[in-house]
Amino acid sequence: EPEVTQTPSHQVTQMGQEVILRCVPISNHLYFYWYRQILGQKVEFLVSFYNNEISEKSEIFDDQFSVERPDGSNFTLKIRSTKLEDSAMYFCASRTGTGVNEQFFGPGTRLTVL
Amino acid sequence: SQQGEEDPQALSIQEGENATMNCSYKTSINNLQWYRQNSGRGLVHLILIRSNEREKHSGRLRVTLDTSKKSSSLLITASRAADTASYFCATDAYSGYSTLTFGKGTMLLVSP
Repeated sequence: EPEVTQTPSHQVTQMGQEVILRCVPISNHLYFYWYRQILGQKVEFLVSFYNNEISEKSEIFDDQFSVERPDGSNFTLKIRSTKLEDSAMYFCASRTGTGVNEQFFGPGTRLTVL
Repeated sequence: SQQGEEDPQALSIQEGENATMNCSYKTSINNLQWYRQNSGRGLVHLILIRSNEREKHSGRLRVTLDTSKKSSSLLITASRAADTASYFCATDAYSGYSTLTFGKGTMLLVSP
C-alpha cells in the first residue's frame, strides 16, 4: 500500500542552523501539507502546497520557513534559522485532490533544537 | 472552546469495553476526520464523515456527526489493548485546500 515517507526520523540541530525536512508524498497525490506538533500539544497546520505553489499558510509559517517541490517526488520544508521553539514533530501529508479529502500522513520527523 | 476539542482528555477502560470520545467544533465544516496516534508516532487516518452524513461505521468504529450541535463522537466497540493511543478529531472547514484543524486529542488506555 502506498504511503508517505519522511526523512530523517529524528534531527538534532543547534539554534540558528538551517534544517531541511524531506517528504515523499504518495505518487498520484496533488495536494501536500506540512503540520507540526509540539510535545504534548495539538497538531497545527503550517502550509499547504498545490500546483507548485503555496496555497495556504498559517501564522506559524513565517519568513523563516519555506517549502519546495524540487522534483516530481520530493516535498521539503526548510527552516532557515532554527529557534528553540521550533522543536516539534513535523508531519507531511498528501491527498489526491479528487473526491473525498482524506489526508495521508507520514511518520513524522522529530526536530530537536538545542 | 477551540475548533476540534475532544473530551474526555483521557479515558481508561478494560479490554472488551466500549470507548466513546467526543469532539466539538465551532465553524461550519466540509467533513470531520478521526485520526489515531500511537505514542510518538505518526497519524493514522481512521474514518471520515461528511457534513451531510449522520453516522458512519468502519469495523469496530462508529462515528456520528451532529452539525446542529457542531459535535461528533467516536465509538470503539470491544476495545483491545492495541487500541491504546491518542485519538484526534480534525475538521476540514471549507478552506478550499482542505486544511485540517486538529483538537487536543483523547488519550485512551485499554488495560488487558
